Formats: sequence, C-alpha cells, structure tokens
Amino acid sequence: DAGVIQSPRHEVTEMGQEVTLRCKPISGHNSLFWYRQTMMRGLELLIYFNNNVPIDDSGMPEDRFSAKMPNASFSTLKIQPSEPRDSAVYFCASSLGGGPNTEAFFGQGTRLTVV
Amino acid sequence: RKEVEQDPGPFNVPEGATVAFNCTYSNSASQSFFWYRQDCRKEPKLLMSVYSSGNEDGRFTAQLNRASQYISLLIRDSKLSDSATYLCVVNDNYQLIWGAGTKLIIKP
Repeated sequence: DAGVIQSPRHEVTEMGQEVTLRCKPISGHNSLFWYRQTMMRGLELLIYFNNNVPIDDSGMPEDRFSAKMPNASFSTLKIQPSEPRDSAVYFCASSLGGGPNTEAFFGQGTRLTVV
Repeated sequence: RKEVEQDPGPFNVPEGATVAFNCTYSNSASQSFFWYRQDCRKEPKLLMSVYSSGNEDGRFTAQLNRASQYISLLIRDSKLSDSATYLCVVNDNYQLIWGAGTKLIIKP
C-alpha cells in the first residue's frame, strides 16, 4: 500500500491567493483527518471525516478554510484567501474504523508558505 | 488547562542512558493512549499503544496511571537514532487529542 498521499509537498504562495491541498487516504480507511502543525501551536486537528461526512470541523480556524471529501479516496483542504499566518505544515491522516484503539496513518505533509 | 500536556524539552541525554518522560491528560474518561514519534520535518508515526497493564517493546516501555491521569514512556539504552519528538496522544470520545510533543536529543 502506498500509504496516505498528499500533494503538493511544498507550496509557496502570495497572500490573498487560493490554496488547495489534496489528500488520498489509504484504501479501505473510512476516517480522514486534516491537521495543521506549527512550532507555536503544535499539532492541531482541523477537521475529521467519517465515511466521507464531516463529523467535527470545530478546529477549522475561520471561514477562509474549507474541506471536502467527495468520495472515499480523495479530500481537499482549501484556504481562500490565504494569509501569512496560515504558513504551516498541513498533514492528512487516515484510519480504519475510528474506534478507541485505531491508529492514524499520516501523509508526508504539505509545507505551506504564504508570503 | 490543556487537555494533554507534555514537557516540551528538549531532553539532552547521552547515548546509552535511560530517559523517561510523562504526559498528563485532563479527561478521566479517556479510553486509549498512544505514543507517536515524529522526526524532524517528517510525519508522526505510531511508536506504541499504551495498555492499562503497561507494555514493553524492546527498549521502550509505556505505562498508564489512570489514578493520576498520566502516561509515561521509558527508553532504555538510548541510541542516537532515538532523537526525535515524542507525541502523546489520548483518544477522547473517539477523537485523538495530541500533546505538543517532547523533544529528545541523544548525544554521542
């Protein structure tokens, strides 16, 4: 299995531009998570999908952020318009079942820099 | 108070030494616990789950203390390759709550 695949690996964009991050979870996994990691705030859960349905988006910072999961094998996280404070590493993770002992598998992350 | 708290470190430890660090959690009803390892500029990866009776995997021992609401990770005979950030994770109502991580540096 190729694991969780994220693209792009690196993104540099100007303030105000739209940014779209992509994720392909592990085949068969029915839970998908988007995280953001910064030095200041550590790893933060942005949104969690189960069976393609958003379950908890309380971590989404503001309306500039949106996430979709149109099918079981693809999800996007969009920032529009982007701001310098959005600069971070964005991780996508997937898991099977989402139960109490479920391991989350992470993609390699997208390093976003907004200038 | 944060839901999951860890000492950020860094812990600077000579090679071959034993090192231990703790993680406290706030929700007494938390169901399961994990230690993840994250190398610099890499994604987190599961190191080990933490079971109620404590568990060991080679040089690594994880323990859970429900009364005091903390979990611990002990690394024996530390290697240079153990240098990483160790993230404590608590499963709270089917959601993973992450600590900020403890940075460990093993020195030759």
